[in-house]
Formats: sequence, C-alpha cells, structure tokens
Amino acid sequence: DVKVTQSSRYLVKRTGEKVFLECVQDMDHENMFWYRQDPGLGLRLIYFSYDVKMKEKGDIPEGYSVSREKKERFSLILESASTNQTSMYLCASSLEWGATNEKLFFGSGTQLSVL
Amino acid sequence: KQEVTQIPAALSVPEGENLVLNCSFTDSAIYNLQWFRQDPGKGLTSLLLIQSSQREQTSGRLNASLDKSSGRSTLYIAASQPGDSATYLCAVGALYDYKLSFGAGTTVTVRA
Repeated sequence: DVKVTQSSRYLVKRTGEKVFLECVQDMDHENMFWYRQDPGLGLRLIYFSYDVKMKEKGDIPEGYSVSREKKERFSLILESASTNQTSMYLCASSLEWGATNEKLFFGSGTQLSVL
Repeated sequence: KQEVTQIPAALSVPEGENLVLNCSFTDSAIYNLQWFRQDPGKGLTSLLLIQSSQREQTSGRLNASLDKSSGRSTLYIAASQPGDSATYLCAVGALYDYKLSFGAGTTVTVRA
C-alpha cells in the first residue's frame, strides 16, 4: 500500500513565524499535492507538483510556497504565518497526472494552529 | 469552475439501514469521480473511483453510480454498521485542468 507520511500531527506556531510542513511518499509517485481543509469549505488545493523541482499554483497559493527537491518529498512553507492559516493541512500523492484511473492517496494530516 | 455539492451535510441512521449519499457537480466534463472516507482528525481514504466511461463501481457493501449528463453521483452503503460512521467526501476530476474539486462532505452517524 502507498504510504504518505506527514511529519507532524499537530503544530502550534506564533504569528509571523516561518513554518515548514513536510510530506514524504514511498511509492515513486510523480504527483504530489498540498490541500487545506476548513469546516464547511471542503478541501482546497494550495500547490501541486508533477515532477521534481516543478510546482504549480492551486486555487489558494497566497501566503504559501513549496519545495520539491526530491521525488518523494514535498514541503509546504508558510513564509510568515497568520491566524487565517490555522487549518488542517493534507498532503496527497498520485501516480500519473490526468489518468482516468488515477487514485489520490492522502497523509494523516497536520492540524496547524497559529496564535 | 467546477462546483461540487453534497447534501445532506449530516445524516444519522440506525444500524442495519442502507445509506444513500449524494454528490452533484456543475460541469460534466470530468475524467473521474472518487469517493473518500475521512475519520475525525485523520486523512482521506479512497473508497471507490469511477472513470468517466463507467456508470458504477462496487466494493463489498459499497456501490457508487455516476450520471455525467445530470451531474450526479450516489454512494450506497448496504446494511450500515457503527464502524461506517465517518465523513464521506466526493471529488470530481476536471478534464480541462485535471484538478480535483471536492465537496464539503456528508457526516454519517450509524447508531447501534
């Protein structure tokens, strides 16, 4: 089974701090994604990457950046954390971009609180 | 922009009853539709994936149907059990950009 591992389950940070969220997948997947999930809003795509060193903005990239130096690792960076970035952050990966049978595999999530 | 709606937002049923969860989407140009399960405070687990050329998929007690022309999918869970209590989300993959759009989910409680 595919395993997507997020480094922290819970994080508490101060406003203005630089925050790093790490995600590692073990199945040689090409694509990796970062979503945030807020009550009543569903999942919203922040950034995604379809290859090493490649990144694309999702629907809500403002205030975030990403890094993918190795195929298995995709990092989300909050340059200067703000309270409105308090959320559940979910990392996901998939094998082949746009394939009709492309399944998405998720990590367990990181609940980030910015005080 | 694809809009995905799941109604109702919450559902409570007695054990043994069949569950029917609905998902509607606004743009029929999709390449697949997935149903996920999410337990409280956890990530999402893929349950079923229906490719755009298919009408339904089945796995055990779960059956999902897809009607692209009407923009609807339904997830059926037969003979519900307390262990089925979770939030169920549907996600639709758009043909024009291959991104998934998620519904907000239906939270199911199965009472013993």
